[in-house]
Amino acid sequence: KAGVTQTPRYLIKTRGQQVTLSCSPISGHRSVSWYQQTPGQGLQFLFEYFSETQRNKGNFPGRFSGRQFSNSRSEMNVSTLELGDSALYLCASSPEISGAAYNEQFFGPGTRLTVL
Amino acid sequence: AQSVSQHNHHVILSEAASLELGCNYSYGGTVNLFWYVQYPGQHLQLLLKYFSGDPLVKGIKGFEAEFIKSKFSFNLRKPSVQWSDTAEYFCAVMPLSGGSYIPTFGRGTSLIVHP
Repeated sequence: KAGVTQTPRYLIKTRGQQVTLSCSPISGHRSVSWYQQTPGQGLQFLFEYFSETQRNKGNFPGRFSGRQFSNSRSEMNVSTLELGDSALYLCASSPEISGAAYNEQFFGPGTRLTVL
Repeated sequence: AQSVSQHNHHVILSEAASLELGCNYSYGGTVNLFWYVQYPGQHLQLLLKYFSGDPLVKGIKGFEAEFIKSKFSFNLRKPSVQWSDTAEYFCAVMPLSGGSYIPTFGRGTSLIVHP
């Protein structure tokens, strides 16, 4: 099976712009989670989508949003970019086995976002 | 809010040395526990997990971890490391109560193994 893919791999934006990142999960996985990884904060959970519905949400401002399509592909959008949004954004997909809390996560390579 | 502490940020060992990476969490309820590893140039991948039962769990590549509930700890161990174990290691905690399944990751431990 192909792994989790994320596009683009690198992105440079300026403050105030918006950005959309894409994630294609492993075939058959219906849960997709997004994380922000920075040297200072580590991996922080953004949100999780399951069957096109946001199932869990982390503690990020409303500028961060996402959606999931019927084929389980997911997009994440950040509006009004700030310098502090520079980070590696990771997507992870999971098979739905016995509920969300028991899911092993399969991570993609990430999108490196730089905000100037 | 729950938190996960990985006390060792950077660890440098020689091949054949023993490894123990600490992971402590702050959450009073029942949790699932994970260790993930990221080898240079590769994606994060699962090393091992604990859901219930025997608190000593074994993962891939000879790694094991012990869950000590009274200490809120889930330390990762390997008796004899290899150069190929050079990687970044992340501990993660998933709470099982409250209906909101939000995992918390530690900040990671960078392990360098010298041949």
